[in-house]
Amino acid sequence: DARVTQTPRHKVTEMGQEVTMRCQPILGHNTVFWYRQTMMQGLELLAYFRNRAPLDDSGMPKDRFSAEMPDATLATLKIQPSEPRDSAVYFCASGLVHRLSSYNEQFFGPGTRLTVL
Amino acid sequence: AQTVTQSQPEMSVQEAETVTLSCTYDTSESDYYLFWYKQPPSRQMILVIRQEAYKQQNATENRFSVNFQKAAKSFSLKISDSQLGDAAMYFCAYRRTFGNEKLTFGTGTRLTIIP
Repeated sequence: DARVTQTPRHKVTEMGQEVTMRCQPILGHNTVFWYRQTMMQGLELLAYFRNRAPLDDSGMPKDRFSAEMPDATLATLKIQPSEPRDSAVYFCASGLVHRLSSYNEQFFGPGTRLTVL
Repeated sequence: AQTVTQSQPEMSVQEAETVTLSCTYDTSESDYYLFWYKQPPSRQMILVIRQEAYKQQNATENRFSVNFQKAAKSFSLKISDSQLGDAAMYFCAYRRTFGNEKLTFGTGTRLTIIP
């Protein structure tokens, strides 16, 4: 049963600390998305990648957030330094884009719940 | 910019009854997709149903169906024969067909099923 995995599932940290969240997309998928869910802002896209290259990172605060894909099986989202307002659930999703189709379903991981004290 | 609006923060329905969740959206695009996602307490985002804007026929998946009104930019979800397992947050979402593939979500509707 192929699924997106995310680690850690829960993270509690103190303000100023570095946080790294990891995502393993479904094997073979070439597109990875990072979304953030908060009570105030709802669900919003932070960044997404195609074949490991960033296509849109306009939703990500550049001063403290960074997203990378070291290889096709791993996506990382880092926050340095973390702030209390970063407390949220961070979702990773993956999909497979075919050249002949405009549609690719986004399969979501279980999310990482981050609490910054 | 595209926006998605869900005006019902909470809804409740008696088990086995039918409930309709509302969603409106705003876009200048003519080609796009609309979705309903379910988020149970586990937080997992689950795709319930998808509608392509170019299709006039409303999408149906078992007990779930949509009423897509393109001119009115309305996209409601009907759940028939409601079950306890349907209790969750439901999010309406929009995605362009071409170009940026990000999903734009509404604020969600919390659905409670009354036994």
